[in-house]
Amino acid sequence: QSALTQPPSASGSPGQSVTISCTGSRNDVGTYNYVSWFQQHPGKAPKLIISDVTEGPSGVPDRFSASKSGNTASLTVSGLQPEDEALYFCSSYAGTNKYVFGTGTRVIV
Amino acid sequence: QVQLVESGGGVVQPGESLRLSCAASGFSFNALGMHWVRQAPGKGLEWVAVIWYDGSKRYYAESVEGRFSISRDNSKNMVYLQMSDLRVDDSAIYYCARDSGRWCPDYWGQGALVTVSS
Repeated sequence: QSALTQPPSASGSPGQSVTISCTGSRNDVGTYNYVSWFQQHPGKAPKLIISDVTEGPSGVPDRFSASKSGNTASLTVSGLQPEDEALYFCSSYAGTNKYVFGTGTRVIV
Repeated sequence: QVQLVESGGGVVQPGESLRLSCAASGFSFNALGMHWVRQAPGKGLEWVAVIWYDGSKRYYAESVEGRFSISRDNSKNMVYLQMSDLRVDDSAIYYCARDSGRWCPDYWGQGALVTVSS
């Protein structure tokens, strides 16, 4: 299965918003609502910030929101904070019991 | 709280084998599936394998099918990844992760580094 496509980087000033896209196909993002987003700081394990396309786990700031349209999912970080500078990965169930991650986006604040 | 601790990483030569272990605690281990995910240095995440809550089903990425085997011991709250015929491009940090029940790795361990080099 091919990795989902994300832009290599995105940037914004503190307080601004940034949106990251995650493009798959009808075999993954376009069909299944099992799209998740992860944040990863240098040297750390990934942390779940969005599951089931739009759901933020307990403890994740509501500055993080997400959506899906067709084969593309999106993550928006509003009111950027310095600590939001990190790598962000999307992921999706890809059918036939396979799973796929995105290529990753570095957010620069 | 949920805790996942990987062990067993190391340096091996191409063609050799290695077994990773992941000790789980803080949740009903026998009720949820478990994943292995890897990340080559400076690269993105790659899903490796998943095992059902009861061990009845196991699925693999094409890149490791036939060489890697995932297993679990619910009596010990452990999940394993047996890696055989290792290649240089298998070098990565290997993370175990709990599945939420909806195809989502919701909690991750800190990872175990595997280096395959001659």
